[in-house]
Amino acid sequence: IRMTQSPFSLSASVGDRVTITCRASQSISSYLNWYQQKPGKAPKLLIYAASSLQSGVPSRFSGSGSGTDFTLTISSLQPEDFATYYCQQIYSTPRTFGQGTKVEIK
Amino acid sequence: EVQLVESGGGLVQPGGSLRLSCAASGFTFSSYWMSWVRQAPGKGLEWVANIKQDGSEKYYVDSVKGRFTISRDNAKNSLYLQMNSLRAEDTAVYYCAREATYYDSSGYPAVTNDYWGQGTLVTVSS
Repeated sequence: IRMTQSPFSLSASVGDRVTITCRASQSISSYLNWYQQKPGKAPKLLIYAASSLQSGVPSRFSGSGSGTDFTLTISSLQPEDFATYYCQQIYSTPRTFGQGTKVEIK
Repeated sequence: EVQLVESGGGLVQPGGSLRLSCAASGFTFSSYWMSWVRQAPGKGLEWVANIKQDGSEKYYVDSVKGRFTISRDNAKNSLYLQMNSLRAEDTAVYYCAREATYYDSSGYPAVTNDYWGQGTLVTVSS
């Protein structure tokens, strides 16, 4: 299953609302996770089952979607949110990731 | 506290072999599936392989099938990745990660990689 994220990168300011999309090449129901990765660090789980927030993750992060189209939204971007975000399908093996979306400071 | 510590990375020539290890602590290792995920320099994440709790099921991405072998030793709380016939395109940071099933409010299950190690760099070059 191919996962395609858009945009590849974006520039935004603190306080902005940011939306990242992820599209699967076939229906994956809600079997989708979102991860955040900062430079030189391991990925961190943000969202599982498309819309459930991992414990300890700020509520400004939210996920939605099912089937083939999914969205990660950051309601009010904070300085610590500048990072690369990846979606991952866990519908089937291999558990493919999207190519990533880099969120940069404007 | 859950900890995953990878080791065994380094520089290896094309066609060579390397064995990565991941030492787990802070949780009941034998109760979880485990994964390897890699990241080439400046690139995205690529899921490599995973293994069931008792080692009876293993899955691989096509690009490593027949060359890489995932294994585990539950008595030593350790996960391994034996990498043979290495190629330049295998150059990456290799992460081990725990697989855990979470349930949403509707009871919908989701397999996640909820804990990750810091990664170990494998460089394949002559």
